[in-house]
Amino acid sequence: DVKVTQSSRYLVKRTGEKVFLECVQDMDHENMFWYRQDPGLGLRLIYFSYDVKMKEKGDIPEGYSVSREKKERFSLILESASTNQTSMYLCASSTPVGETQYFGPGTRLLVL
Amino acid sequence: AQKITQTQPGMFVQEKEAVTLDCTYDTSDPSYGLFWYKQPSSGEMIFLIYQGSYDQQNATEGRYSLNFQKARKSANLVISASQLGDSAMYFCAMRELNTNAGKSTFGDGTTLTVKP
Repeated sequence: DVKVTQSSRYLVKRTGEKVFLECVQDMDHENMFWYRQDPGLGLRLIYFSYDVKMKEKGDIPEGYSVSREKKERFSLILESASTNQTSMYLCASSTPVGETQYFGPGTRLLVL
Repeated sequence: AQKITQTQPGMFVQEKEAVTLDCTYDTSDPSYGLFWYKQPSSGEMIFLIYQGSYDQQNATEGRYSLNFQKARKSANLVISASQLGDSAMYFCAMRELNTNAGKSTFGDGTTLTVKP
């Protein structure tokens, strides 16, 4: 069974903290994605990676960075968390021409 | 221009009845895929159904079917015999296969409530 896991389901951080969100997939997928989801705005792509050490900006990369040192792991980094980064963060993976993306359970981040 | 449009923020349906969730899309890529996902209140995104742009027949998966009307750029999800467990948010998404390096674009979602 396919599996995408995220390091935390719920996270509370303070403004200015550095935050790491980890995502691991066990399907040997090339592509990995980070989205944020806010009410009324659907899913918005932050960054994606199509290979190890490769990354591309999505629609809303400002305030975020990513790291992909190993194929199975894709990390989202908030260098200095701000309250407007309070959101649900979803990680996904897929093959390059796959029929679907497989999603992790999501991390609900609250920045105080 | 928004590539995926879901015009129904919320929908209600009576248990055991069928419901259609609307989705229209916009692309100039002749090769694309259309997806529907379900997101219960727990937050996980569950893949429901996929339709390729060259598929001749409408996709079906159990109680889910995709009403694909290519000329109208429409990809509506039909859920037959609704169940209480179908109450969730539903997202339509599109992946352009010749552009955008495999990224998907999502609609804003439709919240479906099934009434007993």
